[in-house]
Amino acid sequence: EVQLVESGGGLVQPGGSLRLSCAASGFTFSTSWMHWVRQAPGKGLVWVAYIKSDGSGTIYADSVKGRFTISRDNAKNTLFLQMNSLRVEDTAVYYCVREFNAFDIWGQGTMVTVSS
Amino acid sequence: QAGLTQPPSVSTGLRQTATITCTWNNNNVGSQGVAWLQQLQGHPPKLLSYRNNNRPSGISERVSASRSGNTASLTITGLQPEDEADYYCSAWDDSLSAWVFGGGTKLTVL
Repeated sequence: EVQLVESGGGLVQPGGSLRLSCAASGFTFSTSWMHWVRQAPGKGLVWVAYIKSDGSGTIYADSVKGRFTISRDNAKNTLFLQMNSLRVEDTAVYYCVREFNAFDIWGQGTMVTVSS
Repeated sequence: QAGLTQPPSVSTGLRQTATITCTWNNNNVGSQGVAWLQQLQGHPPKLLSYRNNNRPSGISERVSASRSGNTASLTITGLQPEDEADYYCSAWDDSLSAWVFGGGTKLTVL
């Protein structure tokens, strides 16, 4: 079964850090371009970051550039998102997404809440 | 002006046809085509169409998409109660070097 399972979300204070993980199964992760997309409560989808299949290239949304880092471990079929200097406006469900003909596989998401 | 514009809501009758539009002013948007996603309440999004008018395996033939210039459209025929959802368009923006999403359209089946 093709699956993406996110973990690592939780409650963190402004200025804090979190590391999200996404475990992939059922497809060839090492040849897949991967993304993080987030959705604030009651709001729309916002693209966050993307990484090439071999990790050689990354792109970030301006809103997270310099604070978030996307990475991957192809040996462990896992995608990561290191989030530093978190802000209240980063509060959202974070989805791990595969890109193959657009965003074709989505995880269930992990909730990140930034609040004091 | 960056971003994709969608109507906030569309309402159409049961077994009727609904069309949702997605427009943009930036000619650097859409070089890789436009995709459409459906998000049911409490669920992650699901890909309905990619590269303007291609339907992934398993998506109903009642769903179709098209594009003309800077406007993309998603059409769902024979509306059913289970089609009530939020629908999003997305595309690559060459000028931003970023993926962008429309604000989403809430489809109500009357």
